[in-house]
Amino acid sequence: NAGVTQTPKFRVLKTGQSMTLLCAQDMNHEYMYWYRQDPGMGLRLIHYSVGEGTTAKGEVPDGYNVSRLKKQNFLLGLESAAPSQTSVYFCASSNQLAYTDTQYFGPGTRLTVL
Amino acid sequence: AQSVTQLGSHVSVSEGALVLLRCNYSSSVPPYLFWYVQYPNQGLQLLLKYTSAATLVKGINGFEAEFKKSETSFHLTKPSAHMSDAAEYFCAVSGFGNEKLTFGTGTRLTIIP
Repeated sequence: NAGVTQTPKFRVLKTGQSMTLLCAQDMNHEYMYWYRQDPGMGLRLIHYSVGEGTTAKGEVPDGYNVSRLKKQNFLLGLESAAPSQTSVYFCASSNQLAYTDTQYFGPGTRLTVL
Repeated sequence: AQSVTQLGSHVSVSEGALVLLRCNYSSSVPPYLFWYVQYPNQGLQLLLKYTSAATLVKGINGFEAEFKKSETSFHLTKPSAHMSDAAEYFCAVSGFGNEKLTFGTGTRLTIIP
């Protein structure tokens, strides 16, 4: 099993450009999450999904959109990238609610917005 | 609302010495607490979790943590540090029925040879 994979691993964008980050999991997990990691701020939840076809806002959702059309995939979109979105993005998945289950993380996507 | 505070963004210990990483939580409901570790250029992986059973929780790689309600703490310890323990450690909190985890800001552990 590959676990949680993220595409791409690195990306450089110019301000105003758009892009989509792909997260895929092969563990048949119900729950999927997108976080951003910034120095000194830990991980902050952007959006999450509690099942196929569902999405919900996390702590820092502004400037991002998500979709979960298939259970195994969770897409994170930036419609008009800004320098403040320079960060490392992590996707995670879990089989049950967060309060009791382990979250499995992907290797991350390093995004730079110029 | 729930939050965790990790005291010390950087901790250095000598190889073979005790590792102590501090985490204090705030929660309006009984908390569920986690420690995750992130090795360089990797995603996070679970070290251990407290889910209201035993207050002393043992995890992987010789780490353990003790839930102390009176002190609202969940500190992570390891009796003898190894070079391979160098990483960033994150404490996280959730609550019964909660769909989300709230992470602390992390503590970077450096091991001195």
